[in-house]
Amino acid sequence: QVQLVESGGGVVQPGTSLRLSCAASGFTFSTYAVHWVRQAPGKGLEWVAVISYNGDNKYYADSVKGRFTISRDNSKNTLYLQMNSLRAEDTAVYYCARDGSGSYYLPDYWGQGTQVTVSS
Amino acid sequence: EIVLTQSPGTLSLSPGERATLFCRASQSVSSSYLAWYQQKPGQAPRLLIYGASSRATGIPDRFSGSGSGTDFTLTISRLEPEDFAVYYCQQARTFGQGTKVEIK
Repeated sequence: QVQLVESGGGVVQPGTSLRLSCAASGFTFSTYAVHWVRQAPGKGLEWVAVISYNGDNKYYADSVKGRFTISRDNSKNTLYLQMNSLRAEDTAVYYCARDGSGSYYLPDYWGQGTQVTVSS
Repeated sequence: EIVLTQSPGTLSLSPGERATLFCRASQSVSSSYLAWYQQKPGQAPRLLIYGASSRATGIPDRFSGSGSGTDFTLTISRLEPEDFAVYYCQQARTFGQGTKVEIK
């Protein structure tokens, strides 16, 4: 079955960096685009970024553009999110999700998420 | 940028009742790109409906989606205890703010 397991979250100070990972299994990772979606405490869902199956195409939300970088290692079935210059408003649970559409618009299977807290 | 507005914010119903949730887009969108998700406390979202009306794998047939253009609907025909949750509509990279279905 499709499994996505996020890791790397934690408590960090504003202005610092963090790298999240998402380990995929149960499907051919190298043939699917993958998203990062986040959810601030008590709030709704916010799309963060998506990367194409081969890593050639990457798209970001305006709120993270220039600070976050999405990448993948298909040899390791792993997705990454490098987060720099973190702000308090980046505090959220971060989910990775497989794209089921082939056109970057349908996160179908989601991981359980990893908590990122940005606080001084 | 398209904005999705869900209504009502909270729906208070009893098990066995019918639930109707609405999602309105700020401009016309392709039905192909409209999805609905269910999220329970402490859990990840689960895809229910894609393409406005197609049920995802394993989703019971009491869940149905409809609509086109700017107005979309998620209907739960008879609420089961496990259906009380928050529901989000989504179009491409935009999510609605959610509708909470709570036990009356």
